[in-house]
Amino acid sequence: QSVLTQPPSVSAAPGQKVTISCSGSSSNIGNNYVSWYQQLPGTAPKLLIYDNNRRPSGIPDRFSGSKSDTSATLGITALQTGDEADYFCGTWDGSLSAGVFGGGTRLTVL
Amino acid sequence: EVQLLESGGGLVQPGGSLRLSCAASGFTFSSYNMAWIRQAPGTGLEWVSGIDSSGPTYYTDSVKGRFTISRDNSQNTLSLQMNTLRVEDTAIYYCAKGRMSRDGLDSWGQGTLVTVSS
Repeated sequence: QSVLTQPPSVSAAPGQKVTISCSGSSSNIGNNYVSWYQQLPGTAPKLLIYDNNRRPSGIPDRFSGSKSDTSATLGITALQTGDEADYFCGTWDGSLSAGVFGGGTRLTVL
Repeated sequence: EVQLLESGGGLVQPGGSLRLSCAASGFTFSSYNMAWIRQAPGTGLEWVSGIDSSGPTYYTDSVKGRFTISRDNSQNTLSLQMNTLRVEDTAIYYCAKGRMSRDGLDSWGQGTLVTVSS
């Protein structure tokens, strides 16, 4: 049971847009920055979004992040088959004094 | 280019110990927070432990008292001493640069597999 809640799976067609939600509480998302990670099959995770909505160098602007109160959202536009991966949200939990991740969302590009 | 190379994984019996290492290069290691994250087979990511650039350490509840994170800034090395290992500690362990509270984990190693089994 993860501290942050994500939908197990989402799907959309190539070229379409998809959003992935991440729900938490005031002890984590509500008072800390959220980051998002992409994990392609058989590889290590990669940082996609940090500080709620900032993209590291090299991450295309098809990927976006937002946060509102105790929830965060990852958006991906102009979907490509290469975007098929697992996506994880993460943040710090002040009550636990520990990092926390969502359970992950598998994106299928139909 | 940032590089993180984990080592030390392997097969260990329940109750045993293992020490993981992460060799860092391509950045000023002493200036950054570091973390260990694990992923059990077929499951999601679990943050295990973190250490600030200034030294404070943090652990997830399930490993408190059993795991110890440390860093050697002179050798650019992050370590995780794992004692009293349990079957449920079986996972790929990743070393990562950064912090969950801000900036995110911007670089990850390729991971090292720890298998706890009799």
